[in-house]
Amino acid sequence: DAGVIQSPRHEVTEMGQEVTLRCKPISGHNSLFWYRQTMMRGLELLIYFNNNVPIDDSGMPEDRFSAKMPNASFSTLKIQPSEPRDSAVYFCASFSGARYSPLHFGNGTRLTVT
Amino acid sequence: TQLLEQSPQFLSIQEGENLTVYCNSSSVFSSLQWYRQEPGEGPVLLVTVVTGGEVKKLKRLTFQFGDARKDSSLHITAAQPGDTGLYLCAGERTGNQFYFGTGTSLTVIP
Repeated sequence: DAGVIQSPRHEVTEMGQEVTLRCKPISGHNSLFWYRQTMMRGLELLIYFNNNVPIDDSGMPEDRFSAKMPNASFSTLKIQPSEPRDSAVYFCASFSGARYSPLHFGNGTRLTVT
Repeated sequence: TQLLEQSPQFLSIQEGENLTVYCNSSSVFSSLQWYRQEPGEGPVLLVTVVTGGEVKKLKRLTFQFGDARKDSSLHITAAQPGDTGLYLCAGERTGNQFYFGTGTSLTVIP
């Protein structure tokens, strides 16, 4: 199994530009989580999907952030327009749904907005 | 406000020393997981504890879940440079709700 695959690994963009982060979860997992990690705030949950349906998006900072999961093997997190304070490492994690099983994280996308 | 507070936030010790990391909350969790994260990678699961008072050992690492299932500790015996990393606790509540702690950054100096 290839694990959770995120792309790109690094993204540098200018303020005001649109940014799209991508995630391919582990095949067969029915839940997908998007997290943001910064030194100041640690690992924050942005949104999670269950069976491709958004269940909890209360962590999405504001309307500039949107996430989609059009099918079980793909999800995107979009920021439009991006701002310097969005600079962080964004992680995607998939979950099998089995009791007491772990979250499987991708290697993250390091986003820098200048 | 973080649901899970970890202490200490940073820890730098010499190889061979022992250390304990704490993960505290006022909330009850159905299970608690510990992850380790290395630079440039995502967190990776170390252990899951489920029962109040449970103790699990993973080589030199000992994990304990509090009796009330609100807190946990991680004890490392004779730390090695390979133990260096960011340690994260995560509490699970019903409905696939995972809440991560603030993290403890450990550096073991050879």
